[in-house]
Amino acid sequence: AQSVAQPEDQVNVAEGNPLTVKCTYSVSGNPYLFWYVQYPNRGLQFLLKYITGDNLVKGSYGFEAEFNKSQTSFHLKKPSALVSDSALYFCAVRDPNQAGTALIFGKGTTLSVSS
Amino acid sequence: DAGVTQSPTHLIKTRGQHVTLRCSPISGHKSVSWYQQVLGQGPQFIFQYYEKEERGRGNFPDRFSARQFPNYSSELNVNALLLGDSALYLCASRVKDGIANEQFFGPGTRLTVL
Repeated sequence: AQSVAQPEDQVNVAEGNPLTVKCTYSVSGNPYLFWYVQYPNRGLQFLLKYITGDNLVKGSYGFEAEFNKSQTSFHLKKPSALVSDSALYFCAVRDPNQAGTALIFGKGTTLSVSS
Repeated sequence: DAGVTQSPTHLIKTRGQHVTLRCSPISGHKSVSWYQQVLGQGPQFIFQYYEKEERGRGNFPDRFSARQFPNYSSELNVNALLLGDSALYLCASRVKDGIANEQFFGPGTRLTVL
């Protein structure tokens, strides 16, 4: 079955330190991977995507993600965290068994950046 | 440009009632998807419409239905509400029906079923 796992419910990091939010996936065929961020009482905002090509993908607000096919991972990273990065982060993969463009989301990881 | 808009923002219903949620996509976007986000979980796919045709349906009962109008706006209908239908309902739009195209989400409608 297709799935996305975010093994950490919460990640805590000090402002200025690098951050990593982990994501692993299980999907048949080529994965189309996405990261979204959700602020309180807001919808999801697109950060970045991996479709094909370079394994290091750069996105919005200084975030990047590294696609690792052998480890079936797509970890979200940022070299220097900001307090304003504190939010709920979702990893998602396109469902290859679903006609159209449905996404399968992980359960989310809360990022808390302290000043 | 305005983003995806949804109405109402909040809604309280009782068990057995029905509800209609509305979504207006970003101007020029022809594809609309609906997701249900239960507290503490990631969004779950309900429907996708493109050019007024259903393109995908998630694992939800027939109590859930949707449609897309000629102006590409969309409605999600839920009949015979259950307590478990309490959730944030998210609408997302994209320019066209391409698997690589990212979706842009609205702020959601918070439905509470009592």
